[in-house]
Amino acid sequence: DADVTQTPRNRITKTGKRIMLECSQTKGHDRMYWYRQDPGLGLQLIYYSFDVKDINKGEISDGYSVSRQAQAKFSLSLESAIPNQTALYFCATSVTGNTDTQYFGPGTRLTVL
Amino acid sequence: GQQLNQSPQSMFIQEGEDVSMNCTSSSIFNTWLWYKQDPGEGPVLLIALYKAGELTSNGRLTAQFGITRKDSFLNISASIPSDVGIYFCAGTKIQGAQKLVFGQGTRLTINP
Repeated sequence: DADVTQTPRNRITKTGKRIMLECSQTKGHDRMYWYRQDPGLGLQLIYYSFDVKDINKGEISDGYSVSRQAQAKFSLSLESAIPNQTALYFCATSVTGNTDTQYFGPGTRLTVL
Repeated sequence: GQQLNQSPQSMFIQEGEDVSMNCTSSSIFNTWLWYKQDPGEGPVLLIALYKAGELTSNGRLTAQFGITRKDSFLNISASIPSDVGIYFCAGTKIQGAQKLVFGQGTRLTINP
């Protein structure tokens, strides 16, 4: 079984709809992240959480919100989706320490019409 | 905004050829990581570098942490079809901070 899972894997929605993307991990890591990937660009950090009570904005947090429901779960919401939020979204995890290594989920492809 | 410049953006090579890609920054980075992304999957860590000048290998892959701390390269020797994918460099300015900055990626295509 995958250590980091994301649901749904694909989603098509309409402008103005509220969307939630979910991430779960079985790695026991305390840190979780949400990234966005657009064609020709690297991954851009949306939000990150270093533990259940800690939420931080990343580079591109406008239009997004997150919830860390438990150590193993971190969800990303688009309150009112717009077409330029069409992208691949990745969740990642890491463990506190010096390794800086992050482990990524398989991604969610979101299309906003 | 983007702080790591990765090149080339794409490569088209013949199977068996060696590959070289690099990543540069105007800022000092204290950790460099190289990831590979297969189609429909998330990035997977290939090599992590933590010291300036460090040269690390993982099978046919070799990566180096530049002496100036502002660059890193990744080499792949004797490419094979499964090397196809997008390769990303990533770095952190503070070791252990775990806030990664990513390059734009290098898309590798291999002709059999």
